[in-house]
Amino acid sequence: KQEVTQIPAALSVPEGENLVLNCSFTDSAIYNLQWFRQDPGKGLTSLLLIQSSQREQTSGRLNASLDKSSGRSTLYIAASQPGDSATYLCAVRGGADGLTFGKGTHLIIQP
Amino acid sequence: NAGVTQTPKFQVLKTGQSMTLQCAQDMNHNSMYWYRQDPGMGLRLIYYSASEGTTDKGEVPNGYNVSRLNKREFSLRLESAAPSQTSVYFCASSHSTGELFFGEGSRLTVL
Repeated sequence: KQEVTQIPAALSVPEGENLVLNCSFTDSAIYNLQWFRQDPGKGLTSLLLIQSSQREQTSGRLNASLDKSSGRSTLYIAASQPGDSATYLCAVRGGADGLTFGKGTHLIIQP
Repeated sequence: NAGVTQTPKFQVLKTGQSMTLQCAQDMNHNSMYWYRQDPGMGLRLIYYSASEGTTDKGEVPNGYNVSRLNKREFSLRLESAAPSQTSVYFCASSHSTGELFFGEGSRLTVL
């Protein structure tokens, strides 16, 4: 059974810092990996999708990498802003049955 | 440009009552999913439908039934609600093994 782990569970940094969120998964046979953002009381917003054949994806200040063989992904956030405060979720897809999620990293950016 | 729409957004039930959560997507996706999100447990798959006319159990299907009414709509039914089903329920859709898009969630409390 696929297991997804996110480290750290919580992170608080001053505004302007670059930061890295980590995600690891136990079964490397995946179709893709997706990073989401969730604000309190809200739904999940897709940030980046990395196909299994890709090494990284970029969107604005966000960069996600994938090392399928080692079962790891990182989400890099450049020049963090208070508006980046949210919970970030990593999820992997092994087949037609949707995604397996990590428990998330709760991020606070201090003004 | 609605995406994935869930109703109702909030519901309070008494133990033993029944209800149906409705989900509709306008992205012409063939796959739809129901997840529940609980503190400390993350998101867990209840049921999914890989295509119109098919449904399959996920990780936590007990106490739930689903209906894929047509390509757009996928409903989740609680026949006899229990306090353990107090949760936030999310519907999602995708093309086959592609990127998942989520609704805003339905917050259910069972007393």
